[in-house]
Amino acid sequence: AQSVAQPEDQVNVAEGNPLTVKCTYSVSGNPYLFWYVQYPNRGLQFLLKYITGDNLVKGSYGFEAEFNKSQTSFHLKKPSALVSDSALYFCAVRANTNAGKSTFGDGTTLTVKP
Amino acid sequence: GAGVSQSPSNKVTEKGKDVELRCDPISGHTALYWYRQSLGQGLEFLIYFQGNSAPDKSGLPSDRFSAERTGGSVSTLTIQRTQQEDSAVYLCASSFGTGVNIQYFGAGTRLSVL
Repeated sequence: AQSVAQPEDQVNVAEGNPLTVKCTYSVSGNPYLFWYVQYPNRGLQFLLKYITGDNLVKGSYGFEAEFNKSQTSFHLKKPSALVSDSALYFCAVRANTNAGKSTFGDGTTLTVKP
Repeated sequence: GAGVSQSPSNKVTEKGKDVELRCDPISGHTALYWYRQSLGQGLEFLIYFQGNSAPDKSGLPSDRFSAERTGGSVSTLTIQRTQQEDSAVYLCASSFGTGVNIQYFGAGTRLSVL
């Protein structure tokens, strides 16, 4: 079985401040981890993924995420938030033995205020 | 096309009617996924197709839901005898194989059952 938890429904930050969107996961085996972003009335867009190797992964639009195996976490971060980062963010996990079927979290709405 | 195309973008139907939702994946992508996104909730996996393999139907919520993929390309999700709880956004995604490959999402079909 595999599962994802995004403990915060909503994250609010001021423009220019650092942001963190939290994600924890549970899988049997090694995880493949993904972050996607959804803008209003649009489909999800890929941000970044962790497969293996360096625990710090860099992705699109200045976002990065850190894989922490001991804490089973994959938090999304950005050093300086922009108003345009306001969107719905989804974390997803897939066990490396579970081809194809990803499990998504419930999403976290990020609001960046000017 | 350049991206995943879904039609219609919006569908309003009466309770008890059947509906068909269409997905055109990115050319060359062998894997195709259907998800359901209900208001205030995350993505719920429905079904995925990979090449000529039997589809993984484990996420279909009832036998009123079915999907097919013709010629390894276009897919149709059919909901029979629609119920009000079927109201949601239905998202389709495709990827080049499964495993670690990124999923590319369409904009979705918003289904409203009156």
